Amino acid sequence: DTGVSQDPRHKITKRGQNVTFRCDPISEHNRLYWYRQTLGQGPEFLTYFQNEAQLEKSRLLSDRFSAERPKGSFSTLEIQRTEQGDSAMYLCASSPYEAGELFFGEGSRLTVL
Amino acid sequence: SQQGEEDPQALSIQEGENATMNCSYKTSINNLQWYRQNSGRGLVHLILIRSNEREKHSGRLRVTLDTSKKSSSLLITASRAADTASYFCATDLDSNYQLIWGAGTKLIIKP
Repeated sequence: DTGVSQDPRHKITKRGQNVTFRCDPISEHNRLYWYRQTLGQGPEFLTYFQNEAQLEKSRLLSDRFSAERPKGSFSTLEIQRTEQGDSAMYLCASSPYEAGELFFGEGSRLTVL
Repeated sequence: SQQGEEDPQALSIQEGENATMNCSYKTSINNLQWYRQNSGRGLVHLILIRSNEREKHSGRLRVTLDTSKKSSSLLITASRAADTASYFCATDLDSNYQLIWGAGTKLIIKP
């Protein structure tokens, strides 16, 4: 296990289509986070899981966004009816314990045409 | 919402010089973390400093924290071309673990 992996790395889609991103955290990490990052900005928190429980969700996350972590291992982030404003880098991170460092994947870059 | 603000927004120096970046924040924190991000890549954790600590070192990195001024600085000594990246500070407010991030400092090391 070499780190957090995200798939796909790049996704180009047309407005109105659905997209799904997958994140595989470091295996012994029970905490998993999704962030969104646009050019020139810092990461923006989307949601957080502890094991399979989704404990926190940003108010910025519209109903078109949904995230799951069904068995407390990998996670998926789905965006329905994509809009051009959804174009961003979607970052996944995991952590083994509270108030510790985050280990990030390389991100999934979404471009909505 | 952004809690941390990095200063400067961009910094360009010669290889071998020292680089200093600053981060200011608004509310009390449990800890403050610095991350590096190469263009188009994920973030890499550099240092975590807790609210009861004043200074931490890691290799060529030195981080200070002044809770009275609500500010932190990251010093990179003897810079190298490979240090070219964006540097972000992130604050942990209440250990519920929603980090709040600044917009970053873009550092360019000229060979």
